[in-house]
Amino acid sequence: GQQVMQIPQYQHVQEGEDFTTYCNSSTTLSNIQWYKQRPGGHPVFLIQLVKSGEVKKQKRLTFQFGEAKKNSSLHITATQTTDLGTYFCAGPYGFGNEKLTFGTGTRLTIIP
Amino acid sequence: GAVVSQHPSRVICKSGTSVKIECRSLDFQATTMFWYRQFPKQSLMLMATSNEGSKATYEQGVEKDKFLINHASLTLSTLTVTSAHPEDSSFYICSARDAERGGTEQFFGPGTRLTVL
Repeated sequence: GQQVMQIPQYQHVQEGEDFTTYCNSSTTLSNIQWYKQRPGGHPVFLIQLVKSGEVKKQKRLTFQFGEAKKNSSLHITATQTTDLGTYFCAGPYGFGNEKLTFGTGTRLTIIP
Repeated sequence: GAVVSQHPSRVICKSGTSVKIECRSLDFQATTMFWYRQFPKQSLMLMATSNEGSKATYEQGVEKDKFLINHASLTLSTLTVTSAHPEDSSFYICSARDAERGGTEQFFGPGTRLTVL
């Protein structure tokens, strides 16, 4: 079945430093979604990328979808304490692409 | 918009009892809802897809008689963990798609932390 891996598994950064997490799928994806889960919380949808090579920005967050539509990345510029949490990518599968396979996640810790 | 609630948020029960978890879409209709399980510091694992008015479809390895799902209306899906045992202790999260929005993103409930003694 479809597997979605993320690296790194953990990342500790000094506040103000940049952060990047990488997502790789074993299969070609129709789209890639990114979610953020705060400690003790639930996943919150951040963004969806659909086109090959697509790049989208949300303030300090930059999301990229690979040309082959099998990988993606999330880059955060100048991290803040509010950025802490686990970032998951997710790829759709199944009938109508309605199910999601979640990546392994990257847990980001911010050192003040 | 696209708010999903879940109840209860936390439950502690004795081994052998059954626990029902409710998932509601508050401001949209959800023909499809999803139930996930998440162990500490791990990713979300899809357990089953809940379809309004029809039987749920379960992922491979998930016991349908153990995890009963009912999707009786367009805004409510329930997950019942039957004869719960300590190994069933986990964080259970539901999600729903807002079909009218047209996207495939999912909106998650706040989750239910189940502890079986």
